[in-house]
Amino acid sequence: GNSVTQMEGPVTLSEEAFLTINCTYTATGYPSLFWYVQYPGEGLQLLLKATKADDKGSNKGFEATYRKETTSFHLEKGSVQVSDSAVYFCALSGLPSGAGSYQLTFGKGTKLSVIP
Amino acid sequence: NAGVMQNPRHLVRRRGQEARLRCSPMKGHSHVYWYRQLPEEGLKFMVYLQKENIIDESGMPKERFSAEFPKEGPSILRIQQVVRGDSAAYFCASSPQNIRAQPNQPQHFGDGTRLSIL
Repeated sequence: GNSVTQMEGPVTLSEEAFLTINCTYTATGYPSLFWYVQYPGEGLQLLLKATKADDKGSNKGFEATYRKETTSFHLEKGSVQVSDSAVYFCALSGLPSGAGSYQLTFGKGTKLSVIP
Repeated sequence: NAGVMQNPRHLVRRRGQEARLRCSPMKGHSHVYWYRQLPEEGLKFMVYLQKENIIDESGMPKERFSAEFPKEGPSILRIQQVVRGDSAAYFCASSPQNIRAQPNQPQHFGDGTRLSIL
């Protein structure tokens, strides 16, 4: 079945530091890949997505590239801010055919704390 | 948060009681998904519904849990005879179209209901 593995947290960075959160996946076929962010007490918000190999998703300074050869979708940001403190979830959706294609499969989440 | 409304935000129940969680999808969305988030875990798919139909309930526990999405009104996730292990955050998401037909579209999430069992 599908699975997503994220780097263990928590991650603590100083403001303006470089961020990488690793994400690898296992899936058959060609899943779509997503990063969601969850701020304290809130639901998940879509941060960015990529739908095919070599696509780069980007939003609010965050980027992730769909690497089929390494089955990875690492999240990066060049300069983090205190307001980026949140839990980040990597997720994939299944195939366009067959059961389970609409189910999002999530990683366990990585908590990021950015200190001034 | 993107228009998906869940209520209540927090729900406290004693063991053996019933819990009802409500979800109103974004305007124009007719597909609803329920997920459960246990502490320190990612979200796990529970059930996918369209208006008046359950499409996939493969992630639902076999007993005590049920879901509906009537023609009028919100989607309801119902947990009967709650136990301590039901304590979790329950999230609802919606999409405008059948994701099976368009798997690349994202699901839009509500802020969740945090269920605590005493």
